[in-house]
Amino acid sequence: DVKVTQSSRYLVKRTGEKVFLECVQDMDHENMFWYRQDPGLGLRLIYFSYDVKMKEKGDIPEGYSVSREKKERFSLILESASTNQTSMYLCASSPLDRGYNSPLHFGNGTRLTVT
Amino acid sequence: KNQVEQSPQSLIILEGKNCTLQCNYTVSPFSNLRWYKQDTGRGPVSLTIMTFSENTKSNGRYTATLDADTKQSSLHITASQLSDSASYICVVSARTGNTPLVFGKGTRLSVIA
Repeated sequence: DVKVTQSSRYLVKRTGEKVFLECVQDMDHENMFWYRQDPGLGLRLIYFSYDVKMKEKGDIPEGYSVSREKKERFSLILESASTNQTSMYLCASSPLDRGYNSPLHFGNGTRLTVT
Repeated sequence: KNQVEQSPQSLIILEGKNCTLQCNYTVSPFSNLRWYKQDTGRGPVSLTIMTFSENTKSNGRYTATLDADTKQSSLHITASQLSDSASYICVVSARTGNTPLVFGKGTRLSVIA
């Protein structure tokens, strides 16, 4: 079974702090994704990566950056956290195929609150 | 614009009853359609993936149908159980584009005893 592990289930941070969300997958998947999920809006893609050191912007990248130094690890960085970044953050992975036909495997999410 | 619309937004049914969730999409060119189940506080888990040529696909008590002509899909749950209480998310994948997956907002199902 694919396992996608997000390092924290809950995080509380102050406005202006730099925040790191970590995600690790154990199935040697090439593709990794960061989504945020908000009530009434569904899942929205922030950033994704198809290879080590490679990253591409999703639909809502503003205020975020990512890092993929190793194949199994994909980090989401909030450079200066703001209250409108309070959300559930979901990491996902999938094998090569650019996600067109392969299922996404999700972690259990990090609920981030920015005060 | 590529869109996925799900209905109803929420649904409450009695344990043991059947229910059907709907998904309409305008994604083009179409590659596949997926249904995910998301339990409260957990990440989504894949239930089915259907390509253009597949009309129906089952996973236990879950049966998904696809009508590519009318761009509609349904997820039918038979003999519901309390553990079926979750959000069900329809996701459609395009065959092109940098971000091909289009997510619906989900249907929140509550099964009560």
